[in-house]
Amino acid sequence: AQKVTQAQTEISVVEKEDVTLDCVYETRDTTYYLFWYKQPPSGELVFLIRRNSFDEQNEISGRYSWNFQKSTSSFNFTITASQVVDSAVYFCALSSYNQGGKLIFGQGTELSVKP
Amino acid sequence: DAGITQSPRHKVTETGTPVTLRCHQTENHRYMYWYRQDPGHGLRLIHYSYGVKDTDKGEVSDGYSVSRSKTEDFLLTLESATSSQTSVYFCAISEARTQGSTDTQYFGPGTRLTVL
Repeated sequence: AQKVTQAQTEISVVEKEDVTLDCVYETRDTTYYLFWYKQPPSGELVFLIRRNSFDEQNEISGRYSWNFQKSTSSFNFTITASQVVDSAVYFCALSSYNQGGKLIFGQGTELSVKP
Repeated sequence: DAGITQSPRHKVTETGTPVTLRCHQTENHRYMYWYRQDPGHGLRLIHYSYGVKDTDKGEVSDGYSVSRSKTEDFLLTLESATSSQTSVYFCAISEARTQGSTDTQYFGPGTRLTVL
């Protein structure tokens, strides 16, 4: 069975702090994809990143970075110098070819960035 | 932004009544999905479609049915709404060029449904 665990239900930081959101996944498939989505208070789901299981290179996009480690089945997301606009619920998700591409979501981490 | 709209955006209904939610896309994407979002559960897949008239069940399909008669429209029907179906419903689309593809899914704005 496939599973995504985001153990941090809520995180609160002060603006300009760095924050890491954890994501641990379970799958028996060798070909799979990992995703992060952001859900701001307005409610929409915004796609952030997609990473395949054969590419363990870390990715950086502005203040956002992602650390993919197959050895620990983790795909963690770090926001550097957080800002109030980063306040949102962040979801990690998993899909695999053998499961028909269906997305399995974690429960989400609610990040609150205070000024 | 992907061209996805959902209607209605908000609905309040009573237990036992039928409800239909509509998802409309302008991207001509092959795959369409319905999810529900509930506190503590993230998003869970209800049904999905991989082409016109081609649909399949997801993780939480009981009490729901879907139809797709045109590429651009995917309907979710609650035959007889129950309070446990109070939730936020999201539609998603994916280009998914082959069955089983894992292309990125893009989400609509959501529909907040309350069943009294």
